[in-house]
Amino acid sequence: GAGVSQSPSNKVTEKGKDVELRCDPISGHTALYWYRQSLGQGLEFLIYFQGNSAPDKSGLPSDRFSAERTGGSVSTLTIQRTQQEDSAVYLCASSLATLMETQYFGPGTRLLVL
Amino acid sequence: ELKVEQNPLFLSMQEGKNYTIYCNYSTTSDRLYWYRQDPGKSLESLFVLLSNGAVKQEGRLMASLDTKARLSTLHITAAVHDLSATYFCAVQTSGSRLTFGEGTQLTVNP
Repeated sequence: GAGVSQSPSNKVTEKGKDVELRCDPISGHTALYWYRQSLGQGLEFLIYFQGNSAPDKSGLPSDRFSAERTGGSVSTLTIQRTQQEDSAVYLCASSLATLMETQYFGPGTRLLVL
Repeated sequence: ELKVEQNPLFLSMQEGKNYTIYCNYSTTSDRLYWYRQDPGKSLESLFVLLSNGAVKQEGRLMASLDTKARLSTLHITAAVHDLSATYFCAVQTSGSRLTFGEGTQLTVNP
């Protein structure tokens, strides 16, 4: 079946602009995660959603970052007033539930802030 | 704060040789995962280890977990070029998030 999909695959933006990254999880997966992969910081957790529960936002690096998940499916990660240090690959993952199920990762969005 | 450390970070080996990648973590964990990442690609799940003494094998890769030592190993047997990739271990605690190691970049040379 279809895996996790993300769009766009690549995004180049100018410092100070806002960007939106999209994630479509695997159908039927109730848990959705965002991670960031950068050269300096490795793989970092950002945020996760489970059903209608309040999201765990504890990994978001600043208040410029926000995410929402509509209808328990598609999620959008928004970065406002982008900075060069936001340049990274943003990975989305989904799983059947938060109760220790394997997380399946999407192909990522490569973000470059000039 | 949970810390996950892998070693080595870079590994260059010849085809046919054996080697082990180590993953140490600093606190009690509910699950440990191994993922593979090819250049420019996403993460592919290899193994999930659930309990002390767990051992999983797939082809030339075998993963094990010692929860008392807070150590997991990924053993490579008779390496082939197709195994060249970056391997990550990741620890999952009750908060469900994954905490990743730094990754081990493996290059298998003919």
